[in-house]
Amino acid sequence: EAGVVQSPRYKIIEKKQPVAFWCNPISGHNTLYWYLQNLGQGPELLIRYENEEAVDDSQLPKDRFSAERLKGVDSTLKIQPAELGDSAVYLCASSLGGSETQYFGPGTRLLVL
Amino acid sequence: GESVGLHLPTLSVQEGDNSIINCAYSNSASDYFIWYKQESGKGPQFIIDIRSNMDKRQGQRVTVLLNKTVKHLSLQIAATQPGDSAVYFCAENSGGSNYKLTFGKGTLLTVNP
Repeated sequence: EAGVVQSPRYKIIEKKQPVAFWCNPISGHNTLYWYLQNLGQGPELLIRYENEEAVDDSQLPKDRFSAERLKGVDSTLKIQPAELGDSAVYLCASSLGGSETQYFGPGTRLLVL
Repeated sequence: GESVGLHLPTLSVQEGDNSIINCAYSNSASDYFIWYKQESGKGPQFIIDIRSNMDKRQGQRVTVLLNKTVKHLSLQIAATQPGDSAVYFCAENSGGSNYKLTFGKGTLLTVNP
């Protein structure tokens, strides 16, 4: 069974440019998460979806970050405009339901210059 | 949250030895705990979990111990192998029924052949 797929794996952009990350969860997983991971630290939740509904976006910086999961499967996380401090790994995870084990993708490594 | 920066707690063991990785969690109301393994360049990988109504759970070569009195979680790895070298994170469900994982500081485990 395929795991969580993320693309791109790496992205280098200049500050003030937009960037988007894509995630395809494990088939049948209704819950999808986006996490931010800074170097040397654990992941921090940005947003959680139950199907197509964002049920927890309290940690998402809404002035520059946005996310969508239009058909309740794939999801896109966008940053516009990117800042130097956004350089990090962006992880996507999915689970069968909100109280089930979360499985992570390989992440997208973003470098903002 | 706490700032770890680039300095992770580290544990260095010889191949074949047993490893014990410790974690102090923050929320006495947390009811679910997970250990993840993260290798360089990869996303966190689920190892084992435990609910708060248990104090011990065993998997293949791994055991998790939970001490709710002192809010302490540990991961024991038996007969540690070079492939176990990675950063290990504990995570707690601090969101109750909303199921929100909060990750602790990682520990870098290095297994010497």
